[in-house]
Amino acid sequence: DVKVTQSSRYLVKRTGEKVFLECVQDMDHENMFWYRQDPGLGLRLIYFSYDVKMKEKGDIPEGYSVSREKKERFSLILESASTNQTSMYLCASSYPGTVNEQFFGPGTRLTVL
Amino acid sequence: GQQLNQSPQSMFIQEGEDVSMNCTSSSIFNTWLWYKQDPGEGPVLLIALYKAGELTSNGRLTAQFGITRKDSFLNISASIPSDVGIYFCAGQPYDSNYQLIWGAGTKLIIKP
Repeated sequence: DVKVTQSSRYLVKRTGEKVFLECVQDMDHENMFWYRQDPGLGLRLIYFSYDVKMKEKGDIPEGYSVSREKKERFSLILESASTNQTSMYLCASSYPGTVNEQFFGPGTRLTVL
Repeated sequence: GQQLNQSPQSMFIQEGEDVSMNCTSSSIFNTWLWYKQDPGEGPVLLIALYKAGELTSNGRLTAQFGITRKDSFLNISASIPSDVGIYFCAGQPYDSNYQLIWGAGTKLIIKP
């Protein structure tokens, strides 16, 4: 079974802090994704990566950056957390050549005070 | 960016009832996907559709890829308590290799 793990299920940070969200997948997937999920808005893509050190902006990249130094790990960085970044963050990965069947981690619920 | 219109936003169902939800888009998609998210978990893929007109079943779930390639529906027959959760549609636009466009979700709730 594909397993996607995220470093924390719940996280509370203060405004202005730098926040790191880590995601690891164990199936040698080339594609990895970071989404945020807000009620009534569905999933919105922040960044995705189709290979090590490669990244592409999604629909809402402002205020975020990413790092993919190893194939299995994709990190989301909030350079200076703000209250409007309070959300559920979901990481996903998919097989090479397809974005269709994405496998998701359990999510990290981030609260910024 | 592109958006999918998913309806209804929420549904209150009695156990045993059939359920139907759909997604529409203003643009053409190559693929339609249906995911389910249980509370506290990430979404899990239920059904993937790859061709216009395709009708696919997964147990009590049936989904169809619309002929116009701009819509899809998901039906659940004889609902059971474990069907509660949020159902998302997602589509891959014809001009994208990497991105999925997601609906806002349909929340399924069992009436007490």
